[in-house]
Amino acid sequence: DGGITQSPKYLFRKEGQNVTLSCEQNLNHDAMYWYRQDPGQGLRLIYYSQIVNDFQKGDIAEGYSVSREKKESFPLTVTSAQKNPTAFYLCASSPGRRGSYGYTFGSGTRLTVV
Amino acid sequence: QQQVKQSPQSLIVQKGGISIINCAYENTAFDYFPWYQQFPGKGPALLIAIRPDVSEKKEGRFTISFNKSAKQFSLHIMDSQPGDSATYFCAASFFNQAGTALIFGKGTTLSVSS
Repeated sequence: DGGITQSPKYLFRKEGQNVTLSCEQNLNHDAMYWYRQDPGQGLRLIYYSQIVNDFQKGDIAEGYSVSREKKESFPLTVTSAQKNPTAFYLCASSPGRRGSYGYTFGSGTRLTVV
Repeated sequence: QQQVKQSPQSLIVQKGGISIINCAYENTAFDYFPWYQQFPGKGPALLIAIRPDVSEKKEGRFTISFNKSAKQFSLHIMDSQPGDSATYFCAASFFNQAGTALIFGKGTTLSVSS
């Protein structure tokens, strides 16, 4: 079955540490996205990537970094510079072409700073 | 310009009643307006979507009404059921040189009482 796999489901991080969240898709989608979800805040766009080796900052990119070395993979690193990293992180993908939508979301990673 | 404003923040409806959630936007370049349903601990799932050249779209008990001139759109859930209790997000998709991405409203928590 085609879909998006996020791992791990739960992640605990000590203050000052970098952590990397995994996102893999087998939908042959060109575009991939990372969103952060906090209670009452909706989903806020962190980074998005239209093609391999290219990505754009979203509304809240500070303290995060990404890479897109393969079409199927779009890992997100939460760096120690992110002041309040505890949140639910969602990865998504889409065909990425105007007029051809169909965004698909993964099941999320809940990150907690301890 | 990139914001999508959603209301109400929470909604309580009796079983069999109509649930109505409203969204407004400013950016006329948005060209796709989906609604997502999310259950606790899960990723959002596409419920129904509309393009700006259509004023209404109905799928089962779910209807989107779209008012292009007012830059508003709404979700109506007819004959609301306890299983509809979830968080609902409206969203809008933009397209620019960097690609496409979804901007979300802050969400509405719907509770359907039996």
